[in-house]
Amino acid sequence: DAGITQSPRHKVTETGTPVTLRCHQTENHRYMYWYRQDPGHGLRLIHYSYGVKDTDKGEVSDGYSVSRSKTEDFLLTLESATSSQTSVYFCAISEGVVRTQYFGPGTRLTVL
Amino acid sequence: QQQVKQSPQSLIVQKGGISIINCAYENTAFDYFPWYQQFPGKGPALLIAIRPDVSEKKEGRFTISFNKSAKQFSLHIMDSQPGDSATYFCAATLTQGGSEKLVFGKGTKLTVNP
Repeated sequence: DAGITQSPRHKVTETGTPVTLRCHQTENHRYMYWYRQDPGHGLRLIHYSYGVKDTDKGEVSDGYSVSRSKTEDFLLTLESATSSQTSVYFCAISEGVVRTQYFGPGTRLTVL
Repeated sequence: QQQVKQSPQSLIVQKGGISIINCAYENTAFDYFPWYQQFPGKGPALLIAIRPDVSEKKEGRFTISFNKSAKQFSLHIMDSQPGDSATYFCAATLTQGGSEKLVFGKGTKLTVNP
């Protein structure tokens, strides 16, 4: 998985609780992305980062925030989890010029 | 305009047959068209990609055909094998301000029967 780890790999939480997912890369790539994958919807971009402390919204950003204080780490936070955020979350990295996004192994999040 | 429409949703092919997956887009600002392959429990992985100024690209048994005027592109898997059984996603890339965003189709689950 191209030097990308995601933690935790599985999480079950209650509605209304905060949740933080971590993506860690060892490739020193500039760009990092968070996607969610749901049956019938494919992969949808939540947020992305184009550098340390530089982030922007994707198409499904409501209810999510991100932070990137170091090149290697990109955090996705659900401030108050809802059942609609039950999904598989993938982190991806790219170096832009190469034009390939490399995906992590995913985190399966269940919000009860 | 940001959508990429992919069909079929699922596909069953016999070993040795040809698998064809189709995608269509509206936004002419898309400038790169990758296909990703995903096995159960894994993240997607790049399979093959094409630029819009090329009509066809072939890598082994995998071929992308691209029709810029029709805004359509397709993946052909020749001599399909059971190991090709996976979910395939087409995508289109939007480059803005130096960063790239992928817009994915909804995926096609391919099953190749032995």
